[in-house]
This record gives sequence, C-alpha cells and structure tokens, in this order.
Amino acid sequence: AQKITQTQPGMFVQEKEAVTLDCTYDTSDQSYGLFWYKQPSSGEMIFLIYQGSYDEQNATEGRYSLNFQKARKSANLVISASQLGDSAMYFCAMREPNDYKLSFGAGTTVTVRA
Amino acid sequence: NAGVTQTPKFQVLKTGQSMTLQCAQDMNHEYMSWYRQDPGMGLRLIHYSVGAGITDQGEVPNGYNVSRSTTEDFPLRLLSAAPSQTSVYFCASSYSSGIFSEAFFGQGTRLTVV
Repeated sequence: AQKITQTQPGMFVQEKEAVTLDCTYDTSDQSYGLFWYKQPSSGEMIFLIYQGSYDEQNATEGRYSLNFQKARKSANLVISASQLGDSAMYFCAMREPNDYKLSFGAGTTVTVRA
Repeated sequence: NAGVTQTPKFQVLKTGQSMTLQCAQDMNHEYMSWYRQDPGMGLRLIHYSVGAGITDQGEVPNGYNVSRSTTEDFPLRLLSAAPSQTSVYFCASSYSSGIFSEAFFGQGTRLTVV
C-alpha cells in the first residue's frame, strides 16, 4: 500500500500568491516524521521542512509552513508569497520508527507564473 | 562543506555493461542509502547501510550490489545493466535512522541504459 499520497501531479500559481501542496500518509505507528523536499530542474534534493508526529505546533521555515492534521493523516505544505525560483517538484516523505527508509510520494510539480 | 558527493553526474551504458556509482560523505554519518527516482513513483530505496561493514536490501535491490568498507564511502554497483535500470540515482546520508533524522542527498546520477 502507498504510504505517501500526493494527488496533485502539477500546479500553477501566480507570483506572490500562496500555494498549498497536498500530502496524505498511511501509518499505524504513533511516532513518525514527515519531511518535504524540493527538487528544482537542476535535479538536487533540497530539504525544506520537518514535522514530528508529536509536535504540537505546525512547523514553519521562512515562507514554508506545514498544515499538519494528525487525525486526517495529512501534512500539507504551504508556500507563501510564491517566487519564480519556487518552480520545482516537491516531494512529501515519511520516516517511521525502525524503518530505514524514507517513503516518498510521487511528487507535485509547481510552476510559478510571473 | 562538501556534504554528499556523487559521481558521475551522467552516464550512458550499453545493456550488459557493469559500472559503479560512487558516493562519499564527509559528515561522519553512520546511515547511508541509495534511491532511484522514476517518473510518477517518487524515490525508492535500493540498498542501505547502518555503518561500515553493514549493508541490507531496500525495496528494489535486484541488479544492484553495495559495500561499505568505510564510514565515508558507499558505492553502488550495477552488475549487468538493463534498460529497466534507466533512472536517476541518489545517494543519501543521515545522522541516524531516527524519525527526526533529515536525509542529505547527493546531486544525483542520471543513468541511461541503451
């Protein structure tokens, strides 16, 4: 079964607007970590933000914030004030205890329009 | 700060050829892993290592070998390349396999098997 689901293959957003990227996950563990990575056209994977399952506050890092809804098992990434440099593919990933891998979603491509 | 260094960045192989993708990290991380990225499938774990001398299989290990003789290096060997191994390969390292542990990725290797 797919552990991470990203239902939006591609999105367009106007410069300076906010965009929300959806991520739902499936786990039976109470303790887990959720990550978002950015992959620009140059190909590297850039870590953006982390949310622990026991964190009471939603994570924020600059223009990135995570809308964490534990009961719904969703961890949506919000990018505020989009910039042209935000055009990239974004991956949601999860790490479960005693599992040596990050489970990745299929990714969402974001295109920021001027 | 070099972080995780992968070589080569691009490679074209003929079916049946073998090659080694190199990966080195300078962060003294115990945990290293190899992923492959295919369109619509996110990143999938090939092999991983929890320390020098210790390796294990991930989700998609067939056709690949690894070894870990030092903490720094974790090469991935393609034994007899097949067109199905055309993909982008990422090496990653992290401080631990704990749920909070961010993965640091190399630049990726784009491999084409013809």
